[in-house]
Amino acid sequence: AQSVTQLGSHVSVSEGALVLLRCNYSSSVPPYLFWYVQYPNQGLQLLLKYTSAATLVKGINGFEAEFKKSETSFHLTKPSAHMSDAAEYFCAVSARNYGQNFVFGPGTRLSVLP
Amino acid sequence: EAQVTQNPRYLITVTGKKLTVTCSQNMNHEYMSWYRQDPGLGLRQIYYSMNVEVTDKGDVPEGYKVSRKEKRNFPLILESPSPNQTSLYFCASRGLAGGPVELFFGEGSRLTVL
Repeated sequence: AQSVTQLGSHVSVSEGALVLLRCNYSSSVPPYLFWYVQYPNQGLQLLLKYTSAATLVKGINGFEAEFKKSETSFHLTKPSAHMSDAAEYFCAVSARNYGQNFVFGPGTRLSVLP
Repeated sequence: EAQVTQNPRYLITVTGKKLTVTCSQNMNHEYMSWYRQDPGLGLRQIYYSMNVEVTDKGDVPEGYKVSRKEKRNFPLILESPSPNQTSLYFCASRGLAGGPVELFFGEGSRLTVL
């Protein structure tokens, strides 16, 4: 079985500060990992995904995430927060063999303070 | 344009009045799934389907039914809605035979049961 935990249901940062959203997963097989973003009153949009060799993955809007197998982590970072980054962020895991489903973390709401 | 389409986007109904939320995708995806999103609980899977005529329960299936008679459609049926089914619902799909591995989401359907 797979599971995802996200440390911190709500994270606040100042505009221009580093954004760090934490995600840890458990999976009995090599996983695919994802970050989705949900802006207020909108659906979920793929931010980035990890599917193979490159452990540092770059996504849209300046976000990136690093897959660390030894730590079973896939933390999301952005060097400088912008007001428009305020949203809810979901980490998700899926097995590579498609035999299992997508499993989402509980989400982290990011607030960006002026 | 590749998309997942849900209808209705907004619905207010009363307890016990059967309703169906439709979901259609134009990407020839095998896998489709329904999620509900509630404050503080993240995304919880209701039902999923690995292909036509193949469906299975997710984490919170009680009070819901689904069917997968055609590959493109995956309707969610609430036979006798209750107020605790007031939620934001998302349909999603992905391919299982190559191509992108991420889930593609619909815009969401906000349901209120009075």
